[in-house]
Amino acid sequence: DIQMTQSPSSVSASVGDRVTITCRASQGISSWLAWYQQKPGKAPNLLIYAASTLQSGVPSRFSGSGSGTDFTLTISSLQPEDFATYYCQQANSFPLTFGGGTKVEIK
Amino acid sequence: QVQLVESGGGLVKPGGSLRLSCAGSGLTFSDYYMSWIRQAPGKGLEWVSHITSSGTTIYNADSVKGRFTISRDNAKNSLYLQMNSLRAEDTAVYYCARFFGLQSFDYWGQGTPVTVSS
Repeated sequence: DIQMTQSPSSVSASVGDRVTITCRASQGISSWLAWYQQKPGKAPNLLIYAASTLQSGVPSRFSGSGSGTDFTLTISSLQPEDFATYYCQQANSFPLTFGGGTKVEIK
Repeated sequence: QVQLVESGGGLVKPGGSLRLSCAGSGLTFSDYYMSWIRQAPGKGLEWVSHITSSGTTIYNADSVKGRFTISRDNAKNSLYLQMNSLRAEDTAVYYCARFFGLQSFDYWGQGTPVTVSS
């Protein structure tokens, strides 16, 4: 099984800050990676797929990069509605696996 | 617009069974692969089970193999998860989700909670 390791597990940031979250796969997954945002009590929301493709309707301050084993989600200028938990997910092979999550909190 | 609505969750004793349903609307249900994903209280996301559009291929997480069965009825635009031999560690909110482009989940239901407790 492919293990997905996210870091950090939590980050405190202020509105307007640039935030970077990292996801590392235990083996190469090409660009088969997606990022999700989840707010308390809600279902996850797809932000990025194929490592760097922005899902329709997602603000352009979100971006993704990477391939192989190392991936990054960047929020260029944090907005109040971005405080949430973020997950990566690999789709290179079954079982599909998620990272442990990164909670973005208000500083 | 696309909607996925889960139902069937509830409180069940260890060793018991439950059948979850997911009703789809606003999409050609038979065109899409679907999955069940769960989230234990205060924990992260765990993929559980996956079925192809025709239902011919199924994948399951090791944690549920031999106990959970995914199925679908495309005529009813519905996805199911039959859960048997339930354990306390199966306690979670269960989401159905559409698998898009062979790589990500673009639509999710609101989730249905399952609690396994005596």
